Amino acid sequence: SAVISQKPSRDICQRGTSLTIQCQVDSQVTMMFWYRQQPGQSLTLIATANQGSEATYESGFVIDKFPISRPNLTFSTLTVSNMSPEDSSIYLCSVAPGAGGYTFGSGTRLTVV
Amino acid sequence: AQSVTQLGSHVSVSEGALVLLRCNYSSSVPPYLFWYVQYPNQGLQLLLKYTTGATLVKGINGFEAEFKKSETSFHLTKPSAHMSDAAEYFCAVVNSGAGSYQLTFGKGTKLSVIP
Repeated sequence: SAVISQKPSRDICQRGTSLTIQCQVDSQVTMMFWYRQQPGQSLTLIATANQGSEATYESGFVIDKFPISRPNLTFSTLTVSNMSPEDSSIYLCSVAPGAGGYTFGSGTRLTVV
Repeated sequence: AQSVTQLGSHVSVSEGALVLLRCNYSSSVPPYLFWYVQYPNQGLQLLLKYTTGATLVKGINGFEAEFKKSETSFHLTKPSAHMSDAAEYFCAVVNSGAGSYQLTFGKGTKLSVIP
């Protein structure tokens, strides 16, 4: 299965600033997904990122707040913009290798103060 | 739309006892089903998956799950709990229909193992 390197693993940020999270995959994948896990909650899909096209955002998430880049088949970034304490969460990227066994990055634990 | 229900947000078992974590799903087409485990301050690790074929699926760390279509269930079991099993467990579903690759997660079940 694919191996994902996600960074940073954690960060503490000031409100009003932005943080870019990176995910690097060790193989080419068509689809990458970005999730948010708020404290004590399950995972919520933010968007699906395909190489060469605009990301598809889920209801409640907008591109201005969570811009995503997907420059090639092994890399993607998620930016959390103009952060507020409500953005404090774990952010995870994931890839879909085909028939199943979605692989997740180790997550970025974000605290906004 | 697909959905997942995990019964019990918190389950406690004694070390050596049976672990049973419940998961029911709804899906309009044959689903692919997954169980993930999340240890504190870590990402998600795949325990096991069901796509097609044998309905009893064996995973890592001694866990297994059985897909029961008639009950729309995919419960996770382990015969004997170990202290290291303490973690949060997520059941997830994806529709096998073409063009649909989105994972939908349950709310999670936190497993505590009592010495």
